[in-house]
Amino acid sequence: DAGITQSPRHKVTETGTPVTLRCHQTENHRYMYWYRQDPGHGLRLIHYSYGVKDTDKGEVSDGYSVSRSKTEDFLLTLESATSSQTSVYFCAISAPTSGNTDTQYFGPGTRLTVL
Amino acid sequence: GESVGLHLPTLSVQEGDNSIINCAYSNSASDYFIWYKQESGKGPQFIIDIRSNMDKRQGQRVTVLLNKTVKHLSLQIAATQPGDSAVYFCAELHYYGGSQGNLIFGKGTKLSVKP
Repeated sequence: DAGITQSPRHKVTETGTPVTLRCHQTENHRYMYWYRQDPGHGLRLIHYSYGVKDTDKGEVSDGYSVSRSKTEDFLLTLESATSSQTSVYFCAISAPTSGNTDTQYFGPGTRLTVL
Repeated sequence: GESVGLHLPTLSVQEGDNSIINCAYSNSASDYFIWYKQESGKGPQFIIDIRSNMDKRQGQRVTVLLNKTVKHLSLQIAATQPGDSAVYFCAELHYYGGSQGNLIFGKGTKLSVKP
């Protein structure tokens, strides 16, 4: 499981409330990612980080912010949740495969429902 | 469990048969391709990868074939087992620096194995 945990695993919230999802890794990987997964769209990149305090936007970053104050934690924040942000959120890290190519390994996911 | 993909292409096979899951990719400049398996309620799990300078790679019971001429990727699973039932995603990686890149996912194929 690449030492990735996500919290909470399930959350129900109301429109307009702030929400923070946490991704924690135990293996000191430099690169971390946040994706969302929706029926008909597959997995889409929200934001990624290439080091402490170094982050960049992905394909669907509007309405989301991220922070990485230490290597092991990557936080995803919805400042004011909307119903369109109901989704399953996955965190990933980048690590070498047996062929020494870096690939992405995923956490267990957080199911977020915005009412 | 999670409903990771409504209206996904579905492949139904008999236990013990071989399965072939296909994927068309979009960018002829993609450097690297990955197959993931996602079981209900879990995050995507790395299965096998292949670089763009290869046309075939084998793992344990799985083989990935890459046809760059027609931008087609396939995953072959030998002697399919009930535990292989899952949604399978292909992903293509565009490198942006060093060994890192953006991962673009396909929509997925749902494999159902009949006992």
